[in-house]
Amino acid sequence: QQQVKQSPQSLIVQKGGISIINCAYENTAFDYFPWYQQFPGKGPALLIAIRPDVSEKKEGRFTISFNKSAKQFSLHIMDSQPGDSATYFCAANYGGSQGNLIFGKGTKLSVKP
Amino acid sequence: DVKVTQSSRYLVKRTGEKVFLECVQDMDHENMFWYRQDPGLGLRLIYFSYDVKMKEKGDIPEGYSVSREKKERFSLILESASTNQTSMYLCASSIPGGSGNTIYFGEGSWLTVV
Repeated sequence: QQQVKQSPQSLIVQKGGISIINCAYENTAFDYFPWYQQFPGKGPALLIAIRPDVSEKKEGRFTISFNKSAKQFSLHIMDSQPGDSATYFCAANYGGSQGNLIFGKGTKLSVKP
Repeated sequence: DVKVTQSSRYLVKRTGEKVFLECVQDMDHENMFWYRQDPGLGLRLIYFSYDVKMKEKGDIPEGYSVSREKKERFSLILESASTNQTSMYLCASSIPGGSGNTIYFGEGSWLTVV
């Protein structure tokens, strides 16, 4: 199955709280899982990424947790800030030299001050 | 700094018109992509190209074609625009070599077909 299911569709978090976005996939051939962040009027930009041989990756306030057996991965934003308000897309690479990505449908995050 | 430039940010076209969306990247990337972004549907791949004059269909190629005459330029063509093609179109590029290579996006072209 060439699908990545992302939830929730939208999320409202208070400043300083933890934002959690979840993704699930079916195809065990997926070998690379990036998260992209998109601000209004801009194109998506790579935020953080993980490979399935690692269970967690942290970069600053952003952490990816990866559960290979459950075929799930999630993005955690610690100490969420209003500047984190954006749309977040999870994605998975389905191989090939082109590195094509399958994207989730996106989560619109609003962080309230 | 990496740069993917979509020359037209906002376009309004009439039904049946031929529409060209142009994209240029300055990173000497082999791979280039066109995605369509719609609310609630995420990013869907229309076409991609891994070399000059090469093209491959993505998930939703119907109603679209592409052209890649030069490495740095990838054009999306709507032969006869329809209202259901009103959307935001994103061009992207990356280097080849399998998974793990960052895909860089342009800022998008908003197309309205009336």
